[in-house]
Amino acid sequence: RKEVEQDPGPFNVPEGATVAFNCTYSNSASQSFFWYRQDCRKEPKLLMSVYSSGNEDGRFTAQLNRASQYISLLIRDSKLSDSATYLCVADSGGGADGLTFGKGTHLIIQP
Amino acid sequence: DTEVTQTPKHLVMGMTNKKSLKCEQHMGHRAMYWYKQKAKKPPELMFVYSYEKLSINESVPSRFSPECPNSSLLNLHLHALQPEDSALYLCASSLDPGDPTDTQYFGPGTRLTVL
Repeated sequence: RKEVEQDPGPFNVPEGATVAFNCTYSNSASQSFFWYRQDCRKEPKLLMSVYSSGNEDGRFTAQLNRASQYISLLIRDSKLSDSATYLCVADSGGGADGLTFGKGTHLIIQP
Repeated sequence: DTEVTQTPKHLVMGMTNKKSLKCEQHMGHRAMYWYKQKAKKPPELMFVYSYEKLSINESVPSRFSPECPNSSLLNLHLHALQPEDSALYLCASSLDPGDPTDTQYFGPGTRLTVL
């Protein structure tokens, strides 16, 4: 069974702090991994893709550990606007296929 | 531009109605997807079209019927739905379903309420 597990939170973090989320996946055939951000009653929006060991984009860093089958997301200097649900996502192992979503981690940045 | 559009934004229908959801993208993407998302849950895959052919049907009840008229359009026909089918229906598309790094982009969704 293909599963992606992540801590649902909520994570309550003061503005300016660094916050990290971890996520594990069960399908060893997964090749691509993603973090999507979803605001309340909105669609998921792609935050980062992770194919090799890691990826960095501004305040956001994603890392992939294939041996342990986990992905992490680090947010530095958190902003109030970072408050959202962060979905950890794995592809289903090649070809035209859907994505397997984790249940999401709810992040609340507090002023 | 990574834009996927969906219409309508909101839909209220009775259990005997027939309605359709529409999704469109003009990015030249060759795969399109339907997901269903209930409140406080992650999206769940329903259907995948790859090069305009249905490649995945995740055991979805027949009251949901997908259609892909061309590479830019994806429809979801609804008939005899149940109140538990009320959810956010998300369409997504991706460029190259054969590429392991293929990335899906989501439309804004249609919020469906079945009375």
